[in-house]
Amino acid sequence: GIQVEQSPPDLILQEGANSTLRCNFSDSVNNLQWFHQNPWGQLINLFYIPSGTKQNGRLSATTVATERYSLLYISSSQTTDSGVYFCAVGYSSASKIIFGSGTRLSIRP
Amino acid sequence: EPEVTQTPSHQVTQMGQEVILRCVPISNHLYFYWYRQILGQKVEFLVSFYNNEISEKSEIFDDQFSVERPDGSNFTLKIRSTKLEDSAMYFCASSGAGTGELFFGEGSRLTVL
Repeated sequence: GIQVEQSPPDLILQEGANSTLRCNFSDSVNNLQWFHQNPWGQLINLFYIPSGTKQNGRLSATTVATERYSLLYISSSQTTDSGVYFCAVGYSSASKIIFGSGTRLSIRP
Repeated sequence: EPEVTQTPSHQVTQMGQEVILRCVPISNHLYFYWYRQILGQKVEFLVSFYNNEISEKSEIFDDQFSVERPDGSNFTLKIRSTKLEDSAMYFCASSGAGTGELFFGEGSRLTVL
């Protein structure tokens, strides 16, 4: 099955810093999403990005499908950005979507 | 904005009891999923469901687990005889036709004593 690896596993930053989170996957996929799990455990959709680049405010994401990786950029970090960021990939809607182990981001004031 | 809703938000049960977790997916979605997350660990796939049948299931989804779409709106996960290791957050998700983009509910926390 697909293997999904995220790096780094943990990241501690000061408020205002920028960060780059990486997701590598082992096979060609048709679906790729980034989620933020907030301290209350909710999984918040950030991007659905099987390929290309998208931006939403301070966040942007890029997926290079041919090289099997995706990057999530967070600029000017705020304490509310803290939590775990997951990448999830899959072949199709009917099949399983597999999550990586996540990157735990802690933003210090 | 349409959302996936789950009930209960938290359930405490005794080992060996049956538990049913309920989900109302987004109304025009066709694909439904259950995932679980043991505290502090990653989100694990349990089962996907489409056209009133299971599309795919993981090794975790053994004979103790079943899913059902009893009517046009609900999607349920039943655990027949709970074990201590079933304690986890259970997430329901749904996806629209052909997109593969998952939308998650807020989760049901199951505690087995």
